[in-house]
Amino acid sequence: AQSVAQPEDQVNVAEGNPLTVKCTYSVSGNPYLFWYVQYPNRGLQFLLKYITGDNLVKGSYGFEAEFNKSQTSFHLKKPSALVSDSALYFCAVSQLSGNTPLVFGKGTRLSVIA
Amino acid sequence: DTEVTQTPKHLVMGMTNKKSLKCEQHMGHRAMYWYKQKAKKPPELMFVYSYEKLSINESVPSRFSPECPNSSLLNLHLHALQPEDSALYLCASSQGTSGISEQFFGPGTRLTVL
Repeated sequence: AQSVAQPEDQVNVAEGNPLTVKCTYSVSGNPYLFWYVQYPNRGLQFLLKYITGDNLVKGSYGFEAEFNKSQTSFHLKKPSALVSDSALYFCAVSQLSGNTPLVFGKGTRLSVIA
Repeated sequence: DTEVTQTPKHLVMGMTNKKSLKCEQHMGHRAMYWYKQKAKKPPELMFVYSYEKLSINESVPSRFSPECPNSSLLNLHLHALQPEDSALYLCASSQGTSGISEQFFGPGTRLTVL
């Protein structure tokens, strides 16, 4: 069965500093990895995904993520955090033939402090 | 149009009421999903429709009844709900259910069961 771990419930970062939100995954085959962001009382917004190819994936709002197969990780990064980046971030994994289309991590709350 | 719309935004119902949640997308997506999300938790998959046919039912109680009238519409009929069913109900769509496609989420319906 596929699973995703987000080891941090909360990440705090000062505005202008780089941010990292961690994600590790477990699948039996090739993973498809996704990051979503959720602002208060809103649905989830797709940020980026890794399917195959270049390990560094660039997405919306200046976010990027690096796929690391040996460490089974897919950490989300941004060079310079904005206060408006404060939100709940979910990592998710799926597989080509999995019965469950998307499995989410528990989420990490990012707070960017001015 | 890259939007998934959901109505109503908020719904308060008693345990004996019957109500319906509605979801619509005009992106030509052939897969549609219902999720339930409790506060500060990841979305939990309830149902998946693929090409207007129910393909996944994640052991959801029968008081939740999904319906897909056509490829653009998805309904969730509610009857005899319990207070613990209070949550944010999210609809999503994707091009397919292969696992490669990202899901587009609606803003959700905030349901309160009294």
